[in-house]
Order: sequence, then structure tokens, then C-alpha cells
Amino acid sequence: GAGVSQSPSNKVTEKGKDVELRCDPISGHTALYWYRQSLGQGLEFLIYFQGNSAPDKSGLPSDRFSAERTGGSVSTLTIQRTQQEDSAVYLCASSSTGAPTDTQYFGPGTRLTVL
Amino acid sequence: AQSVTQLGSHVSVSEGALVLLRCNYSSSVPPYLFWYVQYPNQGLQLLLKYLSGSTLVKGINGFEAEFKKSETSFHLTKPSAHMSDAAEYFCAVSEDNDMRFGAGTRLTVKP
Repeated sequence: GAGVSQSPSNKVTEKGKDVELRCDPISGHTALYWYRQSLGQGLEFLIYFQGNSAPDKSGLPSDRFSAERTGGSVSTLTIQRTQQEDSAVYLCASSSTGAPTDTQYFGPGTRLTVL
Repeated sequence: AQSVTQLGSHVSVSEGALVLLRCNYSSSVPPYLFWYVQYPNQGLQLLLKYLSGSTLVKGINGFEAEFKKSETSFHLTKPSAHMSDAAEYFCAVSEDNDMRFGAGTRLTVKP
């Protein structure tokens, strides 16, 4: 597709359940980022993938959060045993090379609500 | 590590008035600076970015920003606000593979 897509657009789950959020980056982009946007706050960096390199997981808030990127394209963010504080909008972005000068292109986000 | 401070979580202007959104940064190296805009229920999109060269950067939709090293600032301006400018605006600073965003400023435009 022409832009970054994310699915689902909305996810409501019960506390303690696992959820998977999907991101399809722009074709050919080697860098992929996950961010969390909580109400009234800025974007919190979660994880960064660059090509075949080991991901930068320094932003993951707990070991309940994990992500993978298969074949250098699609990425899945998994949250295990969800908690109410996990409720937020999860944004995915991609950039062409991951260089600090690159523009990041964002998807529309997945709004996660944990009841 | 780099960081960004956006002064004012909410800014309200009248249609046709000057828009000024403030951003200050800290960075240990010459910074790469960005402004992104987020419309309701959408992802962020780039307004403009400063990488090097001319300190006055022009972006889309009539916005511009000026990099002032002495003030460590990168304020966003638009001479005349339009209703369609109502959105949330994020300033960001980038080093290596790490982009840090400010908390955002929500712009309201009154008719």
C-alpha cells in the first residue's frame, strides 16, 4: 500500500488477556518503530527494528511487551497479561533507512482499551 | 540523551491570527529537529524538518520554523490560522536512531 497500515484500528480486551497489534510498513522501508501514546502525553518510544539487525528494545516498559518483525516487513507487537495502564494508542512508523535525518511515516494507530 | 519541551499543552487562537507553538530542545550534538501534526484519529505526519543549512525552514500548509541554536529553540509559526489547522502538534529531536517527541500542543482555532 501507499502508507503505513495498522490493524485492528480498535481493540477492547479484558484485563489479563493477551493482544497482538499488527503493522504493515511502507514497502521498501528498512526501519520500523513502535510508539505508545497515552491520553494527554507525547509519544513514548517502545521498540525499533532496522533491517536484519537486533532490535532496540530499550523502550519496552515491561517483559509483558514483545515485538517481532518477520521477513523485514510486517511487525507484530504483543502485550501479554494486559493491564488497565496498557490502555493507549499504539502507533507504528517506518522510515526508509532509519537514519536520524529520515522522516518517519506513521500509521493511524491501534486504540487499545483494557477493561 | 536528547529531549524536547513544548511550552503550553493547549494553545487557542482566532481564525486569521498568528500561530506560535514553542519548542525547546536539548541535545549533545547538532540536532535534527522535526515538527509533526496529528489530526483527530490519524497518525502523525511531517510538517517540516531542520537538518542543516538555512535556519528558517518552510513546511506544508504555510507553517515555518526557525532553528535558534543560542536559544535551543525550534518554534513553529504560521502567520494566519485557519480552522483546518486545529490539531495536535509535536516537536521532535533525533539522534542516531532515537527520535524523542515532546508532549504535544493542542491547537484550537476559534471562528
